Amino acid sequence: DAGVTQSPTHLIKTRGQQVTLRCSPKSGHDTVSWYQQALGQGPQFIFQYYEEEERQRGNFPDRFSGHQYPNYSSELNVNALLLGDSALYLCASSLTGTNTGELFFGEGSRLTVL
Amino acid sequence: QQQVKQSPQSLIVQKGGISIINCAYENTAFDYFPWYQQFPGKGPALLIAIRPDVSEKKEGRFTISFNKSAKQFSLHIMDSQPGDSATYFCAASILDAGKSTFGDGTTLTVKP
Repeated sequence: DAGVTQSPTHLIKTRGQQVTLRCSPKSGHDTVSWYQQALGQGPQFIFQYYEEEERQRGNFPDRFSGHQYPNYSSELNVNALLLGDSALYLCASSLTGTNTGELFFGEGSRLTVL
Repeated sequence: QQQVKQSPQSLIVQKGGISIINCAYENTAFDYFPWYQQFPGKGPALLIAIRPDVSEKKEGRFTISFNKSAKQFSLHIMDSQPGDSATYFCAASILDAGKSTFGDGTTLTVKP
């Protein structure tokens, strides 16, 4: 049973560029959430996708956008990269309607903005 | 406004000792309180979780104590082992409502 997979694992971009990160949820899960984890801090909620729609959004600017596909996989796009966007981006999957609350995290995509 | 505050930032414990990490929350609508364990280079993994209708939950060496009136909860790791050395995050959420709010983490080092 495959867990949450993310790609790429590491990437380096320069300021002003755009980046796309990808996530495949755990088998059987229909909901994908994205978190940003800066060094030495806890994960911060970016947004959540369910049924191909953004269901909830955290306190992140519109430069951060996403998408969910019919197979439940998801992308996170960040435009006009800033140095402060350097972080570990985590994808978490869950199953809506089960009321268990558990999030299954991938190993993350480490983004460095120079 | 940080809704979940975690302490201490770092903790060093001898093998066999008890590790205690504390969290406090503000939003009384939260109804799910998990603890996650994260090893370097890995994503967080659920360790144990509690709902506010119980005051304590134990799973093996890990126990959550929950104080609803004080809006606090804590993780106790009994008989701490070097393999427990990791970063621990508390979190709080409203079930099926979307986001989880995380504390800033506690780096635990268990010395052999």
